[in-house]
Amino acid sequence: GQNIDQPTEMTATEGAIVQINCTYQTSGFNGLFWYQQHAGEAPTFLSYNVLDGLEEKGRFSSFLSRSKGYSYLLLKELQMKDSASYLCAPRGSNYQLIWGAGTKLIIKP
Amino acid sequence: DVKVTQSSRYLVKRTGEKVFLECVQDMDHENMFWYRQDPGLGLRLIYFSYDVKMKEKGDIPEGYSVSREKKERFSLILESASTNQTSMYLCASSKGRHEAFFGQGTRLTVV
Repeated sequence: GQNIDQPTEMTATEGAIVQINCTYQTSGFNGLFWYQQHAGEAPTFLSYNVLDGLEEKGRFSSFLSRSKGYSYLLLKELQMKDSASYLCAPRGSNYQLIWGAGTKLIIKP
Repeated sequence: DVKVTQSSRYLVKRTGEKVFLECVQDMDHENMFWYRQDPGLGLRLIYFSYDVKMKEKGDIPEGYSVSREKKERFSLILESASTNQTSMYLCASSKGRHEAFFGQGTRLTVV
């Protein structure tokens, strides 16, 4: 079957670093997306990985290991505005996204 | 910037009503999607479309239908609204296999 596993909630301190993990099982694999979603708003695209390794984009980086069915999103120099849910979404063989329930990240001063 | 616009931010409808949710995108994307999002669950795909007049069922199509008469517009129809269709509805569009862009969402309450 298809399954996504992310922590439900994480807490971190402003200025710190946090890593949000995602493990997945899909029928086939055609890349993995990370989205950010602030409360009551639409998801917005953060990153895309299709090959193994780290993709860096400013304060945000995303890592993929296809053999382990594992990805993480790394957020550096945390700011209060980073308080949001982070959604992991691998894409299966039919090119449809499979969405996790998301990780709610709470940033404390 | 890509813009995906949903016709309403909030809607309250009565049980049994026919409900139309409209979505328009302005970037000539061929792919359009309707999802619903409920607390504690990931986004669930209701219907999607790869081209005008084409539609495909997603994971939870029961109780819904869609229409895509023009490339830029994708409508979701609740034939007879029920209380278990109370949810946040999100429309998205994408070009090819690139990332999807989402509308602001419609929070529908069925009473």
